[in-house]
Amino acid sequence: NAGVMQNPRHLVRRRGQEARLRCSPVKGHSHVYWYRQLPEEGLKFMVYLQKENIIDESGMPKERFSAEFPKEGPSILRIQQVVRGDSAAYFCASSPGTSPNYGYTFGSGTRLTVV
Amino acid sequence: RKEVEQDPGPFNVPEGATVAFNCTYSNSASQSFFWYRQDCRKEPKLLMSVYSSGNEDGRFTAQLNRASQYISLLIRDSKLSDSATYLCVAPGEGSGNTGKLIFGQGTTLQVKP
Repeated sequence: NAGVMQNPRHLVRRRGQEARLRCSPVKGHSHVYWYRQLPEEGLKFMVYLQKENIIDESGMPKERFSAEFPKEGPSILRIQQVVRGDSAAYFCASSPGTSPNYGYTFGSGTRLTVV
Repeated sequence: RKEVEQDPGPFNVPEGATVAFNCTYSNSASQSFFWYRQDCRKEPKLLMSVYSSGNEDGRFTAQLNRASQYISLLIRDSKLSDSATYLCVAPGEGSGNTGKLIFGQGTTLQVKP
């Protein structure tokens, strides 16, 4: 029973390029969360999605960042025109339900480096 | 006030010591809390859930004080392998229907031989 799968594990992009990060939740989990962790800092909530719906995007930067969770396929976090400040570890997590009683299962993360 | 606040440490303790971490939260409506463990450059992993006054799992005990809005994690008989960052987690403001969790900055523990 595979856990949360994220790919790629490492991603290097030049300033101005696009970054696409993929996340497949635990089988049977329909709730996906994206977090960002800057070097030496804590995890910051970015967005919460269910299939085909964005439920809470209060942590997403207003520009350049978007997320989707289509009916078929993985959730995608897309960063357009990356800048050096986007360099961070991006973690995806999934849960089976909406209640805060459910903890998350995290993927191994994607480490984005912008050069 | 931050939604979840922890002392970042580091806590440097010898093997066998007992160590306690505290965490405060701002959302008084929160019902459930979590402690996660994160090793360097790895993903967070769920250590314990705390739903009522507390929870115990082997050497680890989590306690919840709703009146003062703080959670603690006690580790007894520390092992070298306990060295990690411990993340305190609480539901976000208004997260009743979303399950959105807020992570503290983490408390770093270094257990030395």
